[in-house]
Amino acid sequence: QVQLQESGPGLVKPSQTLSLTCTVSGDSVSNDNYYWTWLRQPPGKGLEWIGYIYYTGSAYYNPSLKSRATISVDTSKNQFSLKLTSVTAADTAVYYCARALLYFFYLDVWGKGTTGTVSS
Amino acid sequence: SYDLTQPLSLSVAPGQTATLTCGGDNIGNKNVHWYQQKPGQAPVLVIYRDSNRPSGIPERFSGSNSGNTATLTISRAQAGDEADYYCQVGDSGTEVFGGGTKLTVL
Repeated sequence: QVQLQESGPGLVKPSQTLSLTCTVSGDSVSNDNYYWTWLRQPPGKGLEWIGYIYYTGSAYYNPSLKSRATISVDTSKNQFSLKLTSVTAADTAVYYCARALLYFFYLDVWGKGTTGTVSS
Repeated sequence: SYDLTQPLSLSVAPGQTATLTCGGDNIGNKNVHWYQQKPGQAPVLVIYRDSNRPSGIPERFSGSNSGNTATLTISRAQAGDEADYYCQVGDSGTEVFGGGTKLTVL
């Protein structure tokens, strides 16, 4: 059974960097059938795709984040990570990691989500 | 950027059919995926590639896609189907979600 678990500091100050990690169990981030994905959901709002990464390190991002997001993969730890720089209150959200099937990019396995709050 | 339009809300009586729509320019030419999200929970994939159900999703859930509208149909709606539903498509190397429809069964 594939499981994803997000982790990271729940509270970040404005202008700082939000760093989150997703630990994968029951599958390998080196599995060439999948992209590893980050999404978020602000309180009371809809889902927003942040980006995804392939095991080779190739990553794709939501243009709306204006290069503030960086996704990386660590095959030795079976993890992938998100860094979001220069955060503001608008970045407060539940952050999800998920697995996306190659070519079709539907998200078949999700983590439970972790809350990231930006506040001074 | 590519936009997906979903009605904010839909109400249906128990046992009736709920028809949720997702509008987009020539969306019929894209693969559409649907997710169900209950309060406080992560989304769950209910339909992928327009009309395919993952294992464990009841046959009451079906999907179609043509022209400018994709549709998620929930037959014999139950109280347990109350949730937010989101459609998703890929466009030029990015993934786009609709704003979501809140389905009420009462």
